[in-house]
Amino acid sequence: SAVISQKPSRDICQRGTSLTIQCQVDSQVTMMFWYRQQPGQSLTLIATANQGSEATYESGFVIDKFPISRPNLTFSTLTVSNMSPEDSSIYLCSVEGSYEQYFGPGTRLTVT
Amino acid sequence: AQTVTQSQPEMSVQEAETVTLSCTYDTSENNYYLFWYKQPPSRQMILVIRQEAYKQQNATENRFSVNFQKAAKSFSLKISDSQLGDTAMYFCAFRGSNYKLTFGKGTLLTVNP
Repeated sequence: SAVISQKPSRDICQRGTSLTIQCQVDSQVTMMFWYRQQPGQSLTLIATANQGSEATYESGFVIDKFPISRPNLTFSTLTVSNMSPEDSSIYLCSVEGSYEQYFGPGTRLTVT
Repeated sequence: AQTVTQSQPEMSVQEAETVTLSCTYDTSENNYYLFWYKQPPSRQMILVIRQEAYKQQNATENRFSVNFQKAAKSFSLKISDSQLGDTAMYFCAFRGSNYKLTFGKGTLLTVNP
């Protein structure tokens, strides 16, 4: 299994600002994913981040709004840009392990 | 595109009893994985059980077991001897050949003392 940490664990931000979320894994992994979980909802995949290539975004998510970096096999960042209250969610990163995905503890973002 | 449907938004069960959570899915793929994840109030996603589609035998993990019906595209979770710590949101998820997870809307399970 993989141990994943995220920073920050929570934040309250003003609209129009940006927040960068960090995801650190204790082992090298090829595939990392970023999910959004809106209040009371299920998880929705934002993008897949593979080291050495551009992130692949799902329908409804764009790079200008959610830029992602993947500088090495243990680390990734997701930035939520020009935030609005609708961006208030839990953001989770995950990694592909042996036929399953392991999740980080999530970042709870509140935009006021 | 794959879809995952959980038709029970909320369920409750008495401690020590058995409860079954339902999940159906739709896919054109033949080889895939199905999962049940648990999300307690701490919001950490915890893998409960995994089923490979090519295996006919239903997966079992201690008090948790599944009823996997491939032809019917059904994947239910049975929790036996329910414990207070089982109280959580339960998500059914599908993983196909692209490794992406598609989640159902979730079932909030409450175990009552």
